Amino acid sequence: QLQLQESGPGLVKPSETLSLTCSVSGGSFRSSSYKWGWIRQSPGKGLEWIGSINYSGNTYHNPSLKSRVIMSVNTSKNQFSLKLTSVTAADTAVYYCARHDNGGWFDPWGQGTLVTVSS
Amino acid sequence: QSALTQPASVSGSPGQSITISCTGTSSDVGGYDYVSWYQQHPGKAPKLMIYEVTNRPSGLSNRFSGSKSGNTASLTISGLQAEDEAEYFCISYTRSDTLVFGSGTKVTVL
Repeated sequence: QLQLQESGPGLVKPSETLSLTCSVSGGSFRSSSYKWGWIRQSPGKGLEWIGSINYSGNTYHNPSLKSRVIMSVNTSKNQFSLKLTSVTAADTAVYYCARHDNGGWFDPWGQGTLVTVSS
Repeated sequence: QSALTQPASVSGSPGQSITISCTGTSSDVGGYDYVSWYQQHPGKAPKLMIYEVTNRPSGLSNRFSGSKSGNTASLTISGLQAEDEAEYFCISYTRSDTLVFGSGTKVTVL
């Protein structure tokens, strides 16, 4: 059974870079049928797709965040990562990683990790 | 990209059927059969309920069904049960090759 688990700091200072990693287990990491995605959920903005990356490293971005998002993949560790630069309080949210099917749906999701931006 | 419009809340009694709508435009919901639905209980990760408008993941109860008419997709829950009380949201692929989320609907079982 495919499982995803987010990891990373729960507190980031304003103007710094948020860094998260998602570890994938129990299934195939290399497939052309899907990508690996990041989604966040905040009280003020609801759910928002951040972007996705495939195992080859091709990236797909939400245009509203593209200038601040860096995604990477490590196939040897079955992991993919997110960096969000120049964070502000508006970036405080629960961040989820998920398998992103080429048909546009996300399944399964990681449990989510709360990241708070505060000094 | 504006969020897809969902009713803030829908309620029903056990055993009843309810329908949640997800309204977009011809550039997203109306233009593609790539609408998915998710259930989210408080403090938990979202769970896929419907993909590609009408398809249920393997093992999911057939009490959940999806449909689409024009720019509006719908999720119907039949035989409402207490465990169905949760937040539900939709996602659609868009003409801009991005994804747009619904605003979310809280389902209450009376």
